[in-house]
Amino acid sequence: GNSVTQMEGPVTLSEEAFLTINCTYTATGYPSLFWYVQYPGEGLQLLLKATKADDKGSNKGFEATYRKETTSFHLEKGSVQVSDSAVYFCALSDGAAGNKLTFGGGTRVLVKP
Amino acid sequence: EPEVTQTPSHQVTQMGQEVILRCVPISNHLYFYWYRQILGQKVEFLVSFYNNEISEKSEIFDDQFSVERPDGSNFTLKIRSTKLEDSAMYFCASSVDNSPYEQYFGPGTRLTVT
Repeated sequence: GNSVTQMEGPVTLSEEAFLTINCTYTATGYPSLFWYVQYPGEGLQLLLKATKADDKGSNKGFEATYRKETTSFHLEKGSVQVSDSAVYFCALSDGAAGNKLTFGGGTRVLVKP
Repeated sequence: EPEVTQTPSHQVTQMGQEVILRCVPISNHLYFYWYRQILGQKVEFLVSFYNNEISEKSEIFDDQFSVERPDGSNFTLKIRSTKLEDSAMYFCASSVDNSPYEQYFGPGTRLTVT
């Protein structure tokens, strides 16, 4: 079956530091890949997506590139802000009937001023 | 901006009781989902729903669970006889079509079974 593995947190950074959250996946076929973010007390929000190999998703300064050869979709941001403190979830959908998302375990990021 | 809403935000119930969690998806969306997140664990898929039918369900979604779209706006998850292990955050999501993009999530209902 499908699975997503992401680095465990918490990740604690200073403001303006570089952030990387590793994500690797196992899936049949050619899945679409996503990063969702969950701010404290809120639901999941789509941060970015990539639907085919070598696609780069980007949003709000975050980027992730779909690497089929390494089955990875690592999230990066060059200069984090305190407001980026949240839990980040890597997810995939294989496009099968039902279109369910399979999530990683989430990585908590804490940015200190 | 349209959003998915869920009520209640927090539900406390006793073991064995029935609960109904309510969701109002985005109005032009046709595909609906329930996920749950047990504290400290992964977000897990429960069920997807389209055209008044279940499209897919996970092994978690046993006979104790049911979903319904009773009218044109609400989407509900019923747990018939709650267990302690049903305590979790339950997220509703909706999407406009069957492409695997952009399921919009609600803020969740925290269910506590005592």
